[in-house]
Parts: sequence; C-alpha cells; structure tokens
Amino acid sequence: QVQLQESGPGLVKPSQTLSLTCSVSGASITSGDYYWFWIRQPPGKGLEWIGYLYYQNGDTYYSPSLRSRLTISTDTSTNAFSLTLTSVTASDTAFYFCACSPTHFGTPGATWGPGTLVAVSS
Amino acid sequence: QSDLSQPASVSASPGQSITISCTGSSNDVGIFNLVSWYQQHSGKAPRLIIYTVSKRPSGVSSRFSGAKSGNTASLTISGLQADDEADYYCASYSAAGSTYVFGTGTTVTV
Repeated sequence: QVQLQESGPGLVKPSQTLSLTCSVSGASITSGDYYWFWIRQPPGKGLEWIGYLYYQNGDTYYSPSLRSRLTISTDTSTNAFSLTLTSVTASDTAFYFCACSPTHFGTPGATWGPGTLVAVSS
Repeated sequence: QSDLSQPASVSASPGQSITISCTGSSNDVGIFNLVSWYQQHSGKAPRLIIYTVSKRPSGVSSRFSGAKSGNTASLTISGLQADDEADYYCASYSAAGSTYVFGTGTTVTV
C-alpha cells in the first residue's frame, strides 16, 4: 500500500522560495502506474489543485494560476517528489498535501499524505 | 479555470439520504467521466470516496454513490450516520491543459 509523507519548513518569509518534499513508500516514483500530485488548502478554506507529474514520460502539469512560480520534480535516489514555489506571499499560506493516483483512476489523489502547514510571514 | 460549484452546506437527520450537486462546464464535468468525490473530516487529509463518476475504492461504504448528468455531477449518501459529518469536495479533469479543478466544498451536518 502506497504511503506518502510531506516534509519541509513550516515558515517561509515573503518573497522567498517554498520547498516541500513528499517521501513515497510502497511504490516506486518511477512507476508508470501512478501520477504524483500536490494540492493545497488555506486554513478554513477549500482545496486547490496545484499540479502533478507523470514520471513515465517526464510530463508536468501545473495550475494556470501558479505556473509561473511553480516547479514539481522527482528525486529517484530518495523515491520522492518535490514542490518548489517562488516569490511567495501571504496568500500561499496553506496546508500542503502530496497525493498519488493510479493512472486509470482519473482523480487528483487516491492516496494522500497527512499534509503539512506552511505559513508565509516575516 | 473556475472552481466547480457546490452548495455550501447540507443537513439531515441520521438515517436519511442527501444528495450534493457539483456543477461544472462543458470543459470539465460535461465532457469527461473523470469526476471524483472526497470526504474530509476536520483536521484530516481528504479521503477518496468516488472516482470516475460512480466507482468506489475498496473499503468505501456502498452508502456512497455518484452520478452525472450533463455538466452536473452528484454524490448521494444514504442512511446518514454521525461519522458522515464532514466536508465533501468534488473534482474533475479539465480540458484546460490536462489540469484538474476542485469544487467549492459542501459541509454536511448530521
């Protein structure tokens, strides 16, 4: 069974870069059977889809509203994938979740990590 | 790319049934059978309960069912139980650049 765990700093200063890692167990990040997702949720608000990647063909897909600041990549040596968001502002304060889905599920997250809260503040 | 529209809240008594709507457009819900539903209890990560409109992952109760008509998908919860009290979100694949979009979320009170 696939398990995911987010890690990274809980506090980032405005204008700086937010970097998070999602460690994967129970499946290989290089497997062509899964898509790997990031989703966020500002405290007390709804879910926002951030983006995902498919290792098999190297493609990444990003939310149009975040595309200019966002990179999602893999680290095969640690079986993890990561999120990098530049030039953050207070509006980027949120719980950040990593997730994965079998390719035939067509859903942005069949299995989720517990989430990690990132606050953007000076 | 706009969020899918859901009612803000729905309430019902234990044992009753409720249906939550999820309205999108001809760019997402209307043209793809890739609608999913999530249950999120307070302080927890979302849990997938329906995918590809009407399929249930292993371990999800048959009290949860999904359907779609045109640009609107729906989630029905039958035989409401106290533990069904949570936030529910729909999601759909979108024609806009192989992206996904979430619904605005519905709080269910039992």
